[in-house]
Amino acid sequence: GAGVSQTPSNKVTEKGKYVELRCDPISGHTALYWYRQSLGQGPEFLIYFQGTGAADDSGLPNDRFFAVRPEGSVSTLKIQRTERGDSAVYLCASSPPERSTGELFFGEGSRLTVL
Amino acid sequence: AQSVTQLDSQVPVFEEAPVELRCNYSSSVSVYLFWYVQYPNQGLQLLLKYLSGSTLVKGINGFEAEFNKSQTSFHLRKPSVHISDTAEYFCAVTSIYNDYKLSFGAGTTVTVRA
Repeated sequence: GAGVSQTPSNKVTEKGKYVELRCDPISGHTALYWYRQSLGQGPEFLIYFQGTGAADDSGLPNDRFFAVRPEGSVSTLKIQRTERGDSAVYLCASSPPERSTGELFFGEGSRLTVL
Repeated sequence: AQSVTQLDSQVPVFEEAPVELRCNYSSSVSVYLFWYVQYPNQGLQLLLKYLSGSTLVKGINGFEAEFNKSQTSFHLRKPSVHISDTAEYFCAVTSIYNDYKLSFGAGTTVTVRA
C-alpha cells in the first residue's frame, strides 16, 4: 500500500500482559515516529527514529515502553506489564529523507485497550 | 517546551458558512506551526504550515491560517465550508531546533450541517 500501515488496528489485552504494535512506514521514508493519543487529547510524542537508531526517545513514559527499528524500515512498539492507563491510540508516522519540515505521514493507528 | 491550546472543542457550522478554529501556543523559542486534519476513519494529514515569511499561509481544500506572533496565535479559517470538511482539526507547534517533535492541541471537531 501507499500509506503508513499499522497492525493490529485494535488490540484488547489484560492488565499485566505484553503487547507489540507494528508500523510499516511508507517505502523510502527514513524517519519514523511514534505518538500516543489518549481519549479527548491530541497526539503526544513518544519516540523518533532516523534510520535504525532512536534519535530521541524522550517521550517514552517509562521503562515499560520500548521501540525498535532493526533494519531501518518496520518498527515495533513494545509495552511490557500493561496498565489500564496505557489504553490509547498509538500512532505511527514517517517522513522522507528530504522531509518537508513538520510534514509527517500518519497511519490510522492501533487502538489499545487494557482491561 | 512548547504547548498548544485549542479554544473550541466542538464547532458546529452550516454548509457554505465560514468557520474559524482558534489556536494559541506557548514557547520560549521560535516555532513552526501546523494544522493537521483527521477525517473519519483516516490518519492525520497536513493541512498547512507556517515556517517563515508571509504570516498568511494557504493550505489544501481552501483553508488558510494567519500567524500572529504578538498574540501567539495561529487561527485557521475557511470562508465557505462543505459537508466534506466534517473532521477533527489539530493545531501543532514545534521548536525550530528540534522540528521533528510536534506538540499537538486537544483538537477541534467540526461538524458541517446541510
